[in-house]
Amino acid sequence: AQSVAQPEDQVNVAEGNPLTVKCTYSVSGNPYLFWYVQYPNRGLQFLLKYITGDNLVKGSYGFEAEFNKSQTSFHLKKPSALVSDSALYFCAVRSNTGGFKTIFGAGTRLFVKA
Amino acid sequence: SAVISQKPSRDICQRGTSLTIQCQVDSQVTMMFWYRQQPGQSLTLIATANQGSEATYESGFVIDKFPISRPNLTFSTLTVSNMSPEDSSIYLCSVDEGLEGAGGYTFGSGTRLTVV
Repeated sequence: AQSVAQPEDQVNVAEGNPLTVKCTYSVSGNPYLFWYVQYPNRGLQFLLKYITGDNLVKGSYGFEAEFNKSQTSFHLKKPSALVSDSALYFCAVRSNTGGFKTIFGAGTRLFVKA
Repeated sequence: SAVISQKPSRDICQRGTSLTIQCQVDSQVTMMFWYRQQPGQSLTLIATANQGSEATYESGFVIDKFPISRPNLTFSTLTVSNMSPEDSSIYLCSVDEGLEGAGGYTFGSGTRLTVV
């Protein structure tokens, strides 16, 4: 069965500092991995994905994520956080052998302090 | 990317009644997905809606409670039937932008449902 874990309910970081939001997963077959962001009172937005190829993927708003197969992780990173990055972030996983069902993590709330 | 129009954006309903949520996509898509997001929690897949066939429901969700229609490749509805306060959630429709599951999802803006 597919699963995804976001071990931190909340991440606090100062503006200008690097940020990391953690995600680990479990799937049979090769994983398709995604990050989504939900800003207050707004819908979910797709940030980035890893399907195959380079382990470091870049996405919207300066975010990037690194796929680590041995650690089954897909952590979201940004070199310099902005106050406007404060939002709820969801990691999601889909298996290429599991149909098209996408499983979402519990979410991590990011607070960036000025 | 696809644009999804979802309505209503919010509603307050009496227990025992039903609410139908509509999603209109500006392009043809094979599959549409319906999710529920309970307050402060993650997304749970309710069902996958394919045009021309019955929806596929996830464990814990049944057609009698959440009937889905998919009359064409751009439209779908989800009905929440015989509502109780436990059904209070945000309901989201989504489509897959990529081929063979390799795309990200685009979501509708959501329907915030409160059952009183």
